[in-house]
Formats: sequence, C-alpha cells, structure tokens
Amino acid sequence: DVKVTQSSRYLVKRTGEKVFLECVQDMDHENMFWYRQDPGLGLRLIYFSYDVKMKEKGDIPEGYSVSREKKERFSLILESASTNQTSMYLCASSLGQSSTGELFFGEGSRLTVL
Amino acid sequence: SQQGEEDPQALSIQEGENATMNCSYKTSINNLQWYRQNSGRGLVHLILIRSNEREKHSGRLRVTLDTSKKSSSLLITASRAADTASYFCATDADRGSSNTGKLIFGQGTTLQVKP
Repeated sequence: DVKVTQSSRYLVKRTGEKVFLECVQDMDHENMFWYRQDPGLGLRLIYFSYDVKMKEKGDIPEGYSVSREKKERFSLILESASTNQTSMYLCASSLGQSSTGELFFGEGSRLTVL
Repeated sequence: SQQGEEDPQALSIQEGENATMNCSYKTSINNLQWYRQNSGRGLVHLILIRSNEREKHSGRLRVTLDTSKKSSSLLITASRAADTASYFCATDADRGSSNTGKLIFGQGTTLQVKP
C-alpha cells in the first residue's frame, strides 16, 4: 500500500516563527501536493510539484513556500507563521503522467499559531 | 476557486438506510472522484468515474455522473455506523490536467449514521 507520512500530527507555534511541515511518500510517485483544510472552505491547494525541484503555485500560495529536493519528500515552509495560518495541512501524492489522478493522502498536520 | 460543491452539507440517517450525496461542478472534467475523511484524519480515495461513464459500483457504493448537468451523486447502501465520515467530490481542474493529479475539492458532506 502507498504510504504518505507527515512528520507531525500536531504542532503549536508562535507568530513569526518559521515552520517546516515534512511529507514523505514511499511509492515513487511523481506528483506531490500540499492542501490546507478549513471549516466551511474545504480543501484548498497551496502548492504542488510534479518532479524533483519543480513546483507550481496552487490557489493560495501566499505566505508559503515549498521544497522538493528528493522525489519522495515534499516540504511546506511557513517563513513567518501568522495566526491565519492555523489550519489542518494535508499532503498528498499521485503517480505521474500515466495515472488517473487518484491522490493518496497523509494523516494531516494540525497547526496552531498563537 | 471551488469546482465541486456537495449537497447536502450534513446528513443524518439510521443504520441500514441509504445515504445519497450530490456534487455539482462548473467546468468540463476528465474524471470525478469521491473521497472519504474520518474526523481528524486524511482523505481516502473511494471511487473514480470517468467523463464517458454514467454509473459505477464498488461494494455498497454507487456513483453516477451526468456531464450534461455537471453533477454526480454518491449512494451508500445499507449504511453502517462505521460509514460516519465526511465525503468529498473532487474534479480535475481543467482539461489535460488529470495526469498531474491536480484536483479541486468540494466542501464535503458530513454523514452521521446512527446505530
């Protein structure tokens, strides 16, 4: 089975701190994604990557950056956390060009910014 | 931008009853997918229906797709308490993007199945 692992299930950070959310997948997937999920707003795409060192902005990239130095790892970075970034963050991966687009999700990282 | 919108937002039924959730979307799609999310957990893929398919079954799940109305429905038959979860539809963002896996999700239907 595909496994997508997010390093932290729960984090509490202070405003202005730099935050790293790590995601690792073990099935050699080419595509990786970061979504955030908020009540009433559903899932919104922050960034995605379809290859090592490649990244594309999603719908809400402001305040975030990403890094994909290795195929299996996709990191989300909050350069200076703010309270409006308190949310559930979901990482997902999928096969590349030959796939139907089914996403495999991690368990989520719930971030609270005080 | 939201592509899929689910209806109803919340649904409460008794065990053994059927649950129907609907999803509407705005633009042309290559496929539509349904996902399930248990409280506080990640999403799990349930079923995918392609734009040239009208109906698909998987166990107690039945999905229909009407591309003329830009809508889909998910039917869970003989529901169980363990089916309690949120259900999301997701569509590829635009033509040709399905191979990147970039999906746009609706806001979800929260289903409660009472024992």
